[in-house]
Amino acid sequence: EVQLVESGGGLIQPGGSLRLSCAASGFTVSSNYMSWVRQAPGKGLEWVSVIYSGGSSYYADSVKGRFTISRDNSKNTLYLQMNSLRAEDTAVYYCARDPRLYGSSWPYFDYWGQGTLVTVSS
Amino acid sequence: DIQMTQSPSTLSASVGDRVTITCRASQSISSWLAWYQQKPGKAPKLLIHKASSLESGVPSRFSGSGSGTEFTLTISSLQPDDFATYYCQQYNSYSQFGQGTKVEIK
Repeated sequence: EVQLVESGGGLIQPGGSLRLSCAASGFTVSSNYMSWVRQAPGKGLEWVSVIYSGGSSYYADSVKGRFTISRDNSKNTLYLQMNSLRAEDTAVYYCARDPRLYGSSWPYFDYWGQGTLVTVSS
Repeated sequence: DIQMTQSPSTLSASVGDRVTITCRASQSISSWLAWYQQKPGKAPKLLIHKASSLESGVPSRFSGSGSGTEFTLTISSLQPDDFATYYCQQYNSYSQFGQGTKVEIK
């Protein structure tokens, strides 16, 4: 059974850093496209970043240069390092899997985690 | 960036109604469109990908159509479990979601 479990959210001051984790089971993180998607309170969904099986990664303009997606194949875990956090980064962050293996098409998402809340506030 | 516009933003309907939600892209995205259902406090659930391909396990009352810039999600007979917010997502170039359509009880 495919499962994604996020952790690492919390309250952080503007300008601070946080690292989110997404532990995967039931499949291999390094084989699928993996993404982070966020949702500000009461708002819609916003794609944040994707990492492909080959290791290449892409980011939304809103986080480019501040966020870094990565994975640890030995732990089957996806990460999102978030630096220079702003109030507008406040959101529930979901990790999500694309069902396709390999390749580099833009992602859609068949499995999602339960989300972890990041609150950026002083 | 490709802009995705859903209409309506809110839809009031009754059990048994046929419901249609429209999603328009600011430029052609071929058939690279997905639809999701989200309930409060829960993660989104994939309903349809590639504009019209029904995800395994999703009831057949859900269907998707369209290509290019105009797409629709249709629920043929609304059930109590279908009251939720629906999002379209383009994945032709990067990824953008529509703003969502809330389907509420009339």
